[in-house]
Amino acid sequence: QVQLVQSGAEVREPGASVKVSCKASGYTFSTYGITWMRQAPGHGLEWMGWISTYNGDIKYAQNFQGRVIMTTDTSTSTAYVELGRLRSDDTAVYFCARSLGPGSYVGYWGQGTLVTVSS
Amino acid sequence: DIQLTQSPSTLSASVGDRVTITCRASQSVSSWLAWYQQKPGKAPKLLIYEASRLESGVPSRFSGSGSGTEFTLTISSLQPDDFATYYCQQYSSFPLTFGGGTKAEIK
Repeated sequence: QVQLVQSGAEVREPGASVKVSCKASGYTFSTYGITWMRQAPGHGLEWMGWISTYNGDIKYAQNFQGRVIMTTDTSTSTAYVELGRLRSDDTAVYFCARSLGPGSYVGYWGQGTLVTVSS
Repeated sequence: DIQLTQSPSTLSASVGDRVTITCRASQSVSSWLAWYQQKPGKAPKLLIYEASRLESGVPSRFSGSGSGTEFTLTISSLQPDDFATYYCQQYSSFPLTFGGGTKAEIK
């Protein structure tokens, strides 16, 4: 069955960076892209961007341009999102999810990774 | 950015009730709209895509309708497992955006 398993919770100080992983299984990794989203405590969902696992094409949300890097490792079927220059309002649960394209709904989701930014 | 406004933000209903949630877009998204259900501490789950297409495995009591700027999610007979928060999402233009959510509570 399709599964996306994310790395564990992280705590960072303001100004630092964090890298979250998302390991896919149960399907051919290169046939679906990976969308990254986040949800601040008690708030709604925010789309961060999408990466193609086939050719590395990327679409970032303007709000994160210059601070976010999305990558994939096809040898391990793993996607990564790295967010730099962290601020307290980056505290959120970060989700990866499988999607056909950058402008697509998302089907299967990872379990989420809580990133806490605090001094 | 396209703004999605959901109403109501909270609804109180009983098991067996018919429930309707509305999602209004600030500009047309054609039929590129999805609905998700989220329970506390869990990832969202896809219910509906392309405004009215039921995701495989989702109970038929869920249905979606609409196009352009106005959409509805209907639960024909609310079940105990349906008490959750529901989000709409547009994927017509970047950045993809979500509505603020509708929390379905037990009356």
